[in-house]
Amino acid sequence: EPEVTQTPSHQVTQMGQEVILRCVPISNHLYFYWYRQILGQKVEFLVSFYNNEISEKSEIFDDQFSVERPDGSNFTLKIRSTKLEDSAMYFCASSPIGGGLPNTGELFFGEGSRLTVL
Amino acid sequence: AQSVTQLDSHVSVSEGTPVLLRCNYSSSYSPSLFWYVQHPNKGLQLLLKYTSAATLVKGINGFEAEFKKSETSFHLTKPSAHMSDAAEYFCVVSGVRDMRFGAGTRLTVKP
Repeated sequence: EPEVTQTPSHQVTQMGQEVILRCVPISNHLYFYWYRQILGQKVEFLVSFYNNEISEKSEIFDDQFSVERPDGSNFTLKIRSTKLEDSAMYFCASSPIGGGLPNTGELFFGEGSRLTVL
Repeated sequence: AQSVTQLDSHVSVSEGTPVLLRCNYSSSYSPSLFWYVQHPNKGLQLLLKYTSAATLVKGINGFEAEFKKSETSFHLTKPSAHMSDAAEYFCVVSGVRDMRFGAGTRLTVKP
């Protein structure tokens, strides 16, 4: 069964360092997402991506964050200069159709990348 | 704006007894609602979804949920809990361009 894969499963980094989290969405999907979950808190929407551009982003997704689909298969989240509060589980998701209204489709999630910032 | 409230942060049941995980939603639109499950160290897996068809939705692993517009609820139930059901459960509502998660309910199943 096709699945979303994420690497690394766990990354430890020093504050101020750049981090790239990688995702391989399901191959025929068109919409891509990043969510994060700080330990003990809600799963929060970060950004959605469609047709090679950001379609929606939350207030969390500031200038320190960027996303890219560099080669037609990978979907990456870059944090330019990590802060302690960026420590979280980051989930990538993909969908064949949009996950918001009006074309609500199921989002398929990866197993997450745990980022620890020291 | 769309949002969901999961009324219990932790539910504990004995194996073989019914499960009820409660979710209330708020939506400006006719909502689409989902339940996802997260097992330890695993990703988020869809259990079931409601998208304005039948109000009683059946999902995987014997779970089902009923959409009640009058109560703005979408509670998740299962007649008989199994040890493997122990996990975190998220109620999710579809927003305009994203999906909004509830805070989650941790289900513990005692032998």
